[in-house]
Amino acid sequence: KNEVEQSPQNLTAQEGEFITINCSYSVGISALHWLQQHPGGGIVSLFMLSSGKKKHGRLIATINIQEKHSSLHITASHPRDSAVYICAAPNNDMRFGAGTRLTVKP
Amino acid sequence: DTAVSQTPKYLVTQMGNDKSIKCEQNLGHDTMYWYKQDSKKFLKIMFSYNNKELIINETVPNRFSPKSPDKAHLNLHINSLELGDSAVYFCASSQLTGRVNGGSPLHFGNGTRLTVT
Repeated sequence: KNEVEQSPQNLTAQEGEFITINCSYSVGISALHWLQQHPGGGIVSLFMLSSGKKKHGRLIATINIQEKHSSLHITASHPRDSAVYICAAPNNDMRFGAGTRLTVKP
Repeated sequence: DTAVSQTPKYLVTQMGNDKSIKCEQNLGHDTMYWYKQDSKKFLKIMFSYNNKELIINETVPNRFSPKSPDKAHLNLHINSLELGDSAVYFCASSQLTGRVNGGSPLHFGNGTRLTVT
């Protein structure tokens, strides 16, 4: 069993829909990272959070350290949000989820 | 200005060859990493260096050897390439390691797609 589990594995949405991607982890961490991998392959860091909620534009990330669970939300989704979203838990090293492939259709 | 740059972007080579991938960051970060992304898009750490010193060395074949001449550079040398080495290799950097309060945001290079034939 992977130490970092994401769901769903694949997600297809219509433009404008509210998106939620979930991440659960079994390792003890003090912060969690959310990454976005573009269709072209590049990876960017979206959030690093250790408690509560962070917001950046239409993206919102929440975390509950006690329950070892984090969610990434996208409001008013757009086709340009189509990407793979990866959560990562830094323990002694970085443990990655398998990613959620999001496709937003116009 | 590119923050983390790695070269080459594509590398096609035959089994048994030796190749290198270079990585440089101009962010002034203390920590650099090499990650491997397999065909199923699963990322896995290979090495982590902090101020030129190796701090993480996951179970990778010793055919893979990282070299850090200074804290802005972390190159990856691969000897005797095998078919199973085909993957995308990402270099990244961060100011802090994950061992320090969960680390700090990662900055990735654009990846090097290695194909071994």
